[in-house]
Amino acid sequence: SAVISQKPSRDICQRGTSLTIQCQVDSQVTMMFWYRQQPGQSLTLIATANQGSEATYESGFVIDKFPISRPNLTFSTLTVSNMSPEDSSIYLCSAAATNTEAFFGQGTRLTVV
Amino acid sequence: GDSVTQMEGPVTLSEEAFLTINCTYTATGYPSLFWYVQYPGEGLQLLLKATKADDKGSNKGFEATYRKETTSFHLEKGSVQVSDSAVYFCALSTNFGNEKLTFGTGTRLTIIP
Repeated sequence: SAVISQKPSRDICQRGTSLTIQCQVDSQVTMMFWYRQQPGQSLTLIATANQGSEATYESGFVIDKFPISRPNLTFSTLTVSNMSPEDSSIYLCSAAATNTEAFFGQGTRLTVV
Repeated sequence: GDSVTQMEGPVTLSEEAFLTINCTYTATGYPSLFWYVQYPGEGLQLLLKATKADDKGSNKGFEATYRKETTSFHLEKGSVQVSDSAVYFCALSTNFGNEKLTFGTGTRLTIIP
């Protein structure tokens, strides 16, 4: 199956700053997604990254807080803006080709201090 | 909305013990069901899946049967090994192509020699 490279793998950031996470897939995929896993909780879908257009956000997530780009079929970025300690989570990129199961990157462990 | 309830961990077993991790779900329609595994330091990997009632997914000695009547998809393995130590996530998808996932909270499994 395809491989996702996610960068950075971890970071410690000051509150009020922003962090951009990159996701690179080694083959063309149809769908790309961003999930968040808060401490002790399940993975929650943030948004679907759409190539060349605005991402589709799930309830409770907004573009101003989590801007997402997807300039081509294999690359996407998620920015966590104006961070607070509540944003400390693992952020995971996921991708899938048409009618196949999703596969995941290793995640980015973010700590906001 | 859709939800997955998963056996809370952590779970610690001796090598060669029998493993069961419970998973039940609530969903509209007829979901596909998945178990994902996250080994230490690695990304989420699909372990097995079942797409309709009474299907049994199996991989690496693990099995899970899609039980519509009890809305369950319990993960089992007859004899666990130290290398099975990981976090296990039950998940479902109700959308076409099975790309977007709703996850359980994850169960951390530790196998001791």
